[in-house]
Amino acid sequence: GAVVSQHPSWVICKSGTSVKIECRSLDFQATTMFWYRQFPKQSLMLMATSNEGSKATYEQGVEKDKFLINHASLTLSTLTVTSAHPEDSSFYICSAPRTSGWSSYNEQFFGPGTRLTVL
Amino acid sequence: QQPVQSPQAVILREGEDAVINCSSSKALYSVHWYRQKHGEAPVFLMILLKGGEQKGHDKISASFNEKKQQSSLYLTASQLSYSGTYFCGTEGTGTYKYIFGTGTRLKVLA
Repeated sequence: GAVVSQHPSWVICKSGTSVKIECRSLDFQATTMFWYRQFPKQSLMLMATSNEGSKATYEQGVEKDKFLINHASLTLSTLTVTSAHPEDSSFYICSAPRTSGWSSYNEQFFGPGTRLTVL
Repeated sequence: QQPVQSPQAVILREGEDAVINCSSSKALYSVHWYRQKHGEAPVFLMILLKGGEQKGHDKISASFNEKKQQSSLYLTASQLSYSGTYFCGTEGTGTYKYIFGTGTRLKVLA
């Protein structure tokens, strides 16, 4: 199957600093990628849709100025958490859809996730 | 709007069966099922497309009723490795957006 990588796998930072998380599709091109956030014992909540060559689409309640998304190429999307605070500590996961060759459905391929801890 | 799963949690003995339901308030184009172990990313189990499809492999199967906007995951003769949190993922008709359900925590005991 297709592979999506994330970097870093975990990060600890001080309050007020910015953290960048990278999501790469290693063996296919992804014009769209999704960013999710998951708090302990909760579901994955869609934060935003990253679009290559255009602005990201944010879900209601997600601050676009705080969570900067850049989709610079067909294989890379980055999420930057600016001025991070302890309440931003969470598990961040990206996914990239790839259309099946014989049908029009999209299978989602997930990165391994990044655990962010803000002190 | 996030699909609702039921039950929220279930505890089984090894060898018992379980059913997890996923219900959406919006029209669905497809339903995906995932299992997530603690601290890991979700692992894809299967996808069902509209058309009343049923699918399965090994002892895990699923059905999709597009008219009712519901899907069910069936786990038969559960194994210890089935423990984890199960999520349905839905892609609405005419939308590229992918949303996860509320999740069902499943624990299989020896």
